[in-house]
Amino acid sequence: GAGVSQSPSNKVTEKGKDVELRCDPISGHTALYWYRQSLGQGLEFLIYFQGNSAPDKSGLPSDRFSAERTGGSVSTLTIQRTQQEDSAVYLCASSSPRQGNTEAFFGQGTRLTVV
Amino acid sequence: SQQGEEDPQALSIQEGENATMNCSYKTSINNLQWYRQNSGRGLVHLILIRSNEREKHSGRLRVTLDTSKKSSSLLITASRAADTASYFCATPQGGSQGNLIFGKGTKLSVKP
Repeated sequence: GAGVSQSPSNKVTEKGKDVELRCDPISGHTALYWYRQSLGQGLEFLIYFQGNSAPDKSGLPSDRFSAERTGGSVSTLTIQRTQQEDSAVYLCASSSPRQGNTEAFFGQGTRLTVV
Repeated sequence: SQQGEEDPQALSIQEGENATMNCSYKTSINNLQWYRQNSGRGLVHLILIRSNEREKHSGRLRVTLDTSKKSSSLLITASRAADTASYFCATPQGGSQGNLIFGKGTKLSVKP
């Protein structure tokens, strides 16, 4: 696609349920990032993929959070047993090594609300 | 942990005035980038400055980088109401291909 696509754009879920957030990066971009942003706050780094491997997953807040990437393309962020503090906008970005990983292109995010 | 820290956290100015935002970082960098965010959704890349550059211009934007002080500034000249947004600096960890770490941002409000 022309840009980074995230789905769903909004998700309301009950506390304790699992959710899956999807990110379709720009075709050919090998680097993919997940961030979390709470209302009025900065971006909290979650995990970074280079191809299908995740050299840095240090930002995942707990073992309830996991992410995978298949085929060097689509990535899924899974949150198990959601808690109210998981409510935030989850942003995905991708970048291209051919450009020296210089510029990150962002999706519009998934707004997650845990009730 | 946050690599970049912007200040001020919030800035309110009148249209036509200049807006200056600062960013400090902790470790050595290959480049530093500035992004803009409208309405709490996706970020848009504005400008990148490499570690061997001291100043860069793009339209009404001017970015400076002082590697000795580990700081950068973003200047928006002749601001417009449409410049109202949050502005973030970001640095890649581990050279040019590491994960991008963002600061907490400066919320700019430009009043018409």
